[in-house]
Amino acid sequence: EAQVTQNPRYLITVTGKKLTVTCSQNMNHEYMSWYRQDPGLGLRQIYYSMNVEVTDKGDVPEGYKVSRKEKRNFPLILESPSPNQTSLYFCASSFTKSYNEQFFGPGTRLTVL
Amino acid sequence: SQQGEEDPQALSIQEGENATMNCSYKTSINNLQWYRQNSGRGLVHLILIRSNEREKHSGRLRVTLDTSKKSSSLLITASRAADTASYFCATALGRAQKLVFGQGTRLTINP
Repeated sequence: EAQVTQNPRYLITVTGKKLTVTCSQNMNHEYMSWYRQDPGLGLRQIYYSMNVEVTDKGDVPEGYKVSRKEKRNFPLILESPSPNQTSLYFCASSFTKSYNEQFFGPGTRLTVL
Repeated sequence: SQQGEEDPQALSIQEGENATMNCSYKTSINNLQWYRQNSGRGLVHLILIRSNEREKHSGRLRVTLDTSKKSSSLLITASRAADTASYFCATALGRAQKLVFGQGTRLTINP
């Protein structure tokens, strides 16, 4: 089944404790991105990747890191999480361009205490 | 205002009625897309309309695009309880490699 998977789905952590949210897609998509969704603010793009080893900042990259060593994986790294990073995070992928149909993962609900 | 604003923010109708949501945007676009999100879940792509298209259909969905007014509408006909969800428009900006989402319309279908 064609899909985007994220892990973990739920995470409660404490300020400053490094964490990684994994994202994997099995559709051979070149483009992958991370969004966060907050009430009243909609979806905002954190980082995106046009292809392996090619990443760039989205609208709200502060406090996040990403890497794209393999085509299928695009992990999101929070080196020192803070409470303002409490949010619902989505990974998405698409063929070639960012403005093709996006396939979204199920989401990761992160709480930073 | 943001690129890609939906109107209304919330809509509640009876099952069987039609639901119309609108999206306005500010800059030129490559295409405009509509997504559905069930509570707390990932977004699901519904339909994509290119800037040179005026209308598109998919099942009970009808999307229109008016580039002169920088607006789009999503019509869901013969609504069902399962259509209860949030609906987002997303604009693909012409030059930037990004898709910008609006804040969504929360649609409730009452049985």
